[in-house]
Amino acid sequence: EVQLVESGGGLVQPGGSLRLSCAASGFTFSSYWMSWVRQAPGKGLEWVANIKQDGSEKYYVDSVRGRFTISRDNAKNSLYLQMESLRAEDTTVYYCARIVVYDILTLPHYGMDVWGQGTTVTVSS
Amino acid sequence: EIVLTQSPGTLSLSPGERATLSCRASQIVTSSFLAWYQQKPGQAPRLLMYGASSRATGIPDRFSGSGSGTDFTLTISRLEPEDFAVYYCQQYTGSPWTFGQGTKVEIK
Repeated sequence: EVQLVESGGGLVQPGGSLRLSCAASGFTFSSYWMSWVRQAPGKGLEWVANIKQDGSEKYYVDSVRGRFTISRDNAKNSLYLQMESLRAEDTTVYYCARIVVYDILTLPHYGMDVWGQGTTVTVSS
Repeated sequence: EIVLTQSPGTLSLSPGERATLSCRASQIVTSSFLAWYQQKPGQAPRLLMYGASSRATGIPDRFSGSGSGTDFTLTISRLEPEDFAVYYCQQYTGSPWTFGQGTKVEIK
């Protein structure tokens, strides 16, 4: 079964740090771009970061650039999100997602086709 | 950054009715680099469409997508009970990827 399982969420004080993990199984992890997406309670979805299969390319939303670092360990089939200088507005559920690439007329189209169940991060004093 | 605005915010319909959801972009979404997701309460999102009009694996054909440029539409031809959920459009033209704020399809 194709599966993603996040862990590492919890309560942290403003300015603190936290590392999220996402364990992948049931597919060849090293063949896929991966993503982190977050969702504040009762709010919409916000894309956070993407990482290429070999980790050579990383992209971030402006609000986390310089504070969060996405990384991966293909030998361990794991994706990570290191979060520093956490703020109250970082309080959300964090999902990891697999990015699938579809080829339409030689153009790459992307979709996040497998998602974890989410892990909750609460930033509060 | 491309801002996606979805309308309406809430759609109240009965099972069997047709649902039409709109997603408007603040600038052109190149090559229809647009996806749609469905999210039910307490669940992770589910990929429905990519490339504006291509259904993802396992998505029933009552779901269809259309549009180009700045205006996109997701249509559910006949609502089934399991289709009542929140729907998000998302563009992947470039970084940052962005989502719309969502349209809730609720039972009337």
